[in-house]
Amino acid sequence: LAKTTQPISMDSYEGQEVNITCSHNNIATNDYITWYQQFPSQGPRFIIQGYKTKVTNEVASLFIPADRKSSTLSLPRVSLSDTAVYYCLVGDGYTGFQKLVFGTGTRLLVSP
Amino acid sequence: DADVTQTPRNRITKTGKRIMLECSQTKGHDRMYWYRQDPGLGLRLIYYSFDVKDINKGEISDGYSVSRQAQAKFSLSLESAIPNQTALYFCATSDSGLAGQETQYFGPGTRLLVL
Repeated sequence: LAKTTQPISMDSYEGQEVNITCSHNNIATNDYITWYQQFPSQGPRFIIQGYKTKVTNEVASLFIPADRKSSTLSLPRVSLSDTAVYYCLVGDGYTGFQKLVFGTGTRLLVSP
Repeated sequence: DADVTQTPRNRITKTGKRIMLECSQTKGHDRMYWYRQDPGLGLRLIYYSFDVKDINKGEISDGYSVSRQAQAKFSLSLESAIPNQTALYFCATSDSGLAGQETQYFGPGTRLLVL
């Protein structure tokens, strides 16, 4: 499984754009990149998924450079309710689900 | 996600006791998963099931067993609970897709304390 590395924590203020970068140097050809959001005492929630270039939905954008060794989750104009832990997940379709792990995530704190 | 429910939501038990955590889903998904999360850490996969007759060990299956009673139900058992199994347990479901490509839907979690 491609190991992912994310910052442990980030701080921001309401209304700012937040970019969280995930490194996955060993990403395989068939791997997709998925981001989840988790609030305290709740299960993770899917945010966005991509394979290459840019993906945008109503919640966030995901930027993936050509070499795919990293990805950046972009949250536009964050609010207090965006305070959560964000997980970058890279799936390895060849080795199976046994090694599917979420990692420790990035703890985002949004202040007024 | 209300489509994935877990019972109980909180449980306190003693070392050596057998306990069962239950998960039900109304999403119609074939795939179901059990994860545990320790404070400050990410989720680790315990077991997963692709259908009623297919059950697979995850990263940390020792000390746990599962039962897939129906497409909608997936139970996790701790045969003889020990304190280091104190954690937050999540059930999840997904539709088809390779690992990391499918979208997983998580339940609200069960907080387990083993004394």
